Amino acid sequence: GNSVTQMEGPVTLSEEAFLTINCTYTATGYPSLFWYVQYPGEGLQLLLKATKADDKGSNKGFEATYRKETTSFHLEKGSVQVSDSAVYFCAPGYSSASKIIFGSGTRLSIRP
Amino acid sequence: GAVVSQHPSRVICKSGTSVKIECRSLDFQATTMFWYRQFPKQSLMLMATSNEGSKATYEQGVEKDKFLINHASLTLSTLTVTSAHPEDSSFYICSARLAGGDTQYFGPGTRLTVL
Repeated sequence: GNSVTQMEGPVTLSEEAFLTINCTYTATGYPSLFWYVQYPGEGLQLLLKATKADDKGSNKGFEATYRKETTSFHLEKGSVQVSDSAVYFCAPGYSSASKIIFGSGTRLSIRP
Repeated sequence: GAVVSQHPSRVICKSGTSVKIECRSLDFQATTMFWYRQFPKQSLMLMATSNEGSKATYEQGVEKDKFLINHASLTLSTLTVTSAHPEDSSFYICSARLAGGDTQYFGPGTRLTVL
């Protein structure tokens, strides 16, 4: 069945460090790919998305590229800030099943 | 745009009572709404998918008689936890999707505590 695997956390970095959170998915078809972020005590917010191969989604300095050949959608940011501390969820959306499948989430903590 | 609200944000109730949670799409019409449950420090678990004007589709293992979902209009879905018990305590999150769209927009969540 459809599934997603993302990097386990927690991930702790210093401010201005480079961030990568890995995400791979199973590919029965061509899902849309999403990254959602959940700040402490809040619901999920869409961070970025990509809908076809080689598309790059970007927002707030974060980027992720839809890699069909490796079935991956890794999240990157060149210089993280304390305010980026949150839980990040990778989520492929399978239109045939009409649902989004969420990864386990990666908790990110940024030290000043 | 694409704002989803939930009400209440927090609710505490006694065991055996029923609790209703509302999910509203404020600035768009949502033909499909989703209800999730999230346990502490865990991912979201899809409970059910509801389409306006039809019965909800529940995920395996979710009791439809316990978690009643109504999607009576294009901007409102409700989740009623019937005869709540302490093990139903959780963070419940709804999301809404535009007709023909692939992006889900999430509400802020409702924290339910059953004493």
